[in-house]
Amino acid sequence: GIQVEQSPPDLILQEGANSTLRCNFSDSVNNLQWFHQNPWGQLINLFYIPSGTKQNGRLSATTVATERYSLLYISSSQTTDSGVYFCAVEPWDSGYALNFGKGTSLLVTP
Amino acid sequence: EAEVAQSPRYKITEKSQAVAFWCDPISGHATLYWYRQILGQGPELLVQFQDESVVDDSQLPKDRFSAERLKGVDSTLKIQPAELGDSAMYLCASRKSSYNEQFFGPGTRLTVL
Repeated sequence: GIQVEQSPPDLILQEGANSTLRCNFSDSVNNLQWFHQNPWGQLINLFYIPSGTKQNGRLSATTVATERYSLLYISSSQTTDSGVYFCAVEPWDSGYALNFGKGTSLLVTP
Repeated sequence: EAEVAQSPRYKITEKSQAVAFWCDPISGHATLYWYRQILGQGPELLVQFQDESVVDDSQLPKDRFSAERLKGVDSTLKIQPAELGDSAMYLCASRKSSYNEQFFGPGTRLTVL
């Protein structure tokens, strides 16, 4: 099956710092989503981005489908950004289920 | 804003007991998924429905797990009997159609003692 690798696995930032999270995938994908999982376990949709660039406030994402990677940018980080960030892809032949990476655990300190 | 609903939010049970989880997708979403997330890992698909039909249950441990979506709306996932290794977060998701994003419910955190 498709492999989804996220880096870094863990990240500690001071409030106000910027960061870039990376997602590499091993095969062509139909769709790609970024999620933030809060401490209560809720998966919050950040971006639906099979290709191109999108921005939402302090967050932005870029997917280069031809090179099989996606980047999530967090600017001016806040303590509420803490949690686990997941990249999930939908392979062409999956029947539309998402395959998740192992996540990047982010801690933003005051 | 419409959301995926799940209940219960937390469930503690003893091994060999039966448990059931309920999911109500966003209205109009034809596709419904059940995922399982073990601590420290990403969610993994258990079963996928298109309306009332099962599309993919290849990862569902059918000797103890069952899932149904009788009227193509809400869904129930059952485990009988529960085992210690079933302790995990069970997540339900839905989407309107292909080329749309999936939305997740708050999950049911299961602890098997």
